[in-house]
Amino acid sequence: DQQVKQNSPSLSVQEGRISILNCDYTNSMFDYFLWYKKYPAEGPTFLISISSIKDKNEDGRFTVFLNKSAKHLSLHIVPSQPGDSAVYFCAAGRSNFGNEKLTFGTGTRLTIIP
Amino acid sequence: EAGVAQSPRYKIIEKRQSVAFWCNPISGHATLYWYQQILGQGPKLLIQFQNNGVVDDSQLPKDRFSAERLKGVDSTLKIQPAKLEDSAVYLCASSLVGVPDTQYFGPGTRLTVL
Repeated sequence: DQQVKQNSPSLSVQEGRISILNCDYTNSMFDYFLWYKKYPAEGPTFLISISSIKDKNEDGRFTVFLNKSAKHLSLHIVPSQPGDSAVYFCAAGRSNFGNEKLTFGTGTRLTIIP
Repeated sequence: EAGVAQSPRYKIIEKRQSVAFWCNPISGHATLYWYQQILGQGPKLLIQFQNNGVVDDSQLPKDRFSAERLKGVDSTLKIQPAKLEDSAVYLCASSLVGVPDTQYFGPGTRLTVL
C-alpha cells in the first residue's frame, strides 16, 4: 500500500524557470510533511517541511504548498539552478511524540537544463 | 557539527553470506533509524531506536535481519544469511527526541548480493 505517491519519476526544467514537484498521500492521519533532496552516492538531505496547520511554507527559493482536502503537496523551486538537479523525495508522518516514523515516496529525478 | 557516519560505504557478498553495517549518529540524537532503499524506490524504515530501546521494527525481516544499539549511541545492522533481494542501499538516520520533523541521514552503505 503506497501511502505516499510521487507519480512523476522524472522532470526536466530550463535553468531560471520554476520547477514544480508533486506528491499525493492517502493517509489522513499524516500531519507533517517533508521534502528531501538526494545527490548520487549521498544520503538524503532535509530541504523543507510543513505541518498540517499551515498551507504554505517558504524558505528562500523553495516553497512547499499543502492542500489537505486534496491530500496533495507540492514543492516549488524558483528560480531553478543547475545545482538543483537531484532526486527529490516527499515524506509524510504523524507528529505524535515518540512516533516519528516517516513514509517516503518513490522520488522524482529533477534535471535542470542550462 | 559532525554528521551521521556509516561504514562500510560499499559491500559485495555472495548470497547466504553474512554482513554487518555500522552507524554513528549525530552527537546528542537519541533517535536512530535504519532504512532500506531499493533502486527506484523511496527509503523504507526497517527499525527505529529511541536511546537503546526499539520503537518500531514492524518492517524488519526478523528471520534474517537483526539490529542493536548498545549504550544508546552507535548501532549495527546485520543480515544473516543474505539473499539476492537484499541488494539495496542501507541508510542510517538520526534525530532529536521529540522533534517530529528533521531526520539527518548518513551517506549509506550500498550492498550488492551476488
